[in-house]
Amino acid sequence: TQLLEQSPQFLSIQEGENLTVYCNSSSVFSSLQWYRQEPGEGPVLLVTVVTGGEVKKLKRLTFQFGDARKDSSLHITAAQTGDTGLYLCAGEGTGRRALTFGSGTRLQVQP
Amino acid sequence: DAGVTQSPTHLIKTRGQQVTLRCSPISGHKSVSWYQQVLGQGPQFIFQYYEKEERGRGNFPDRFSARQFPNYSSELNVNALLLGDSALYLCASSLDPGRGAYEQYFGPGTRLTVT
Repeated sequence: TQLLEQSPQFLSIQEGENLTVYCNSSSVFSSLQWYRQEPGEGPVLLVTVVTGGEVKKLKRLTFQFGDARKDSSLHITAAQTGDTGLYLCAGEGTGRRALTFGSGTRLQVQP
Repeated sequence: DAGVTQSPTHLIKTRGQQVTLRCSPISGHKSVSWYQQVLGQGPQFIFQYYEKEERGRGNFPDRFSARQFPNYSSELNVNALLLGDSALYLCASSLDPGRGAYEQYFGPGTRLTVT
């Protein structure tokens, strides 16, 4: 069974601060995706990383896939209140094409 | 273009009853997957269908079943509902699960409450 552990579970910061969310596993993933979910809505895809060591940037968000494709991080620079939400990482396992999700990091950005 | 649509939005059922949830994928997407998201947790994989055939099944009891129709829409059925089935049920569509990175696009979900 492939598991993804996310940390921290909860994060409350002030607007303008930087933060990093981690997603770790003992398993290798073919690809890893990050989603953001608002209350009562479905997850929205932010980015997909495929190659070990890959770094992708989406405005103030920087995503990195570990060299061994077992872990990933999401870094937000100068957080804004609009960044508030649940951030989920999800790994595509080898063999079966289903996503394994982490339990999420709930981010609250205070004005 | 319309995204993934799900119906109903909310549903309240009694223990022991049966429920059917519906999903329409993004136009051109041939694969539909179902996930269960319990409050405070990440989504858990239930089923994946591609071209009307089941391609994957998660660790859920036989009370859960699904099917995909020729127009690629899908239904998820849950029989003999338990209190623990209360959750947000998410449908996700994708182009072709056999090629490239497996990017899925989620609908807004159906909130099922079992009393």
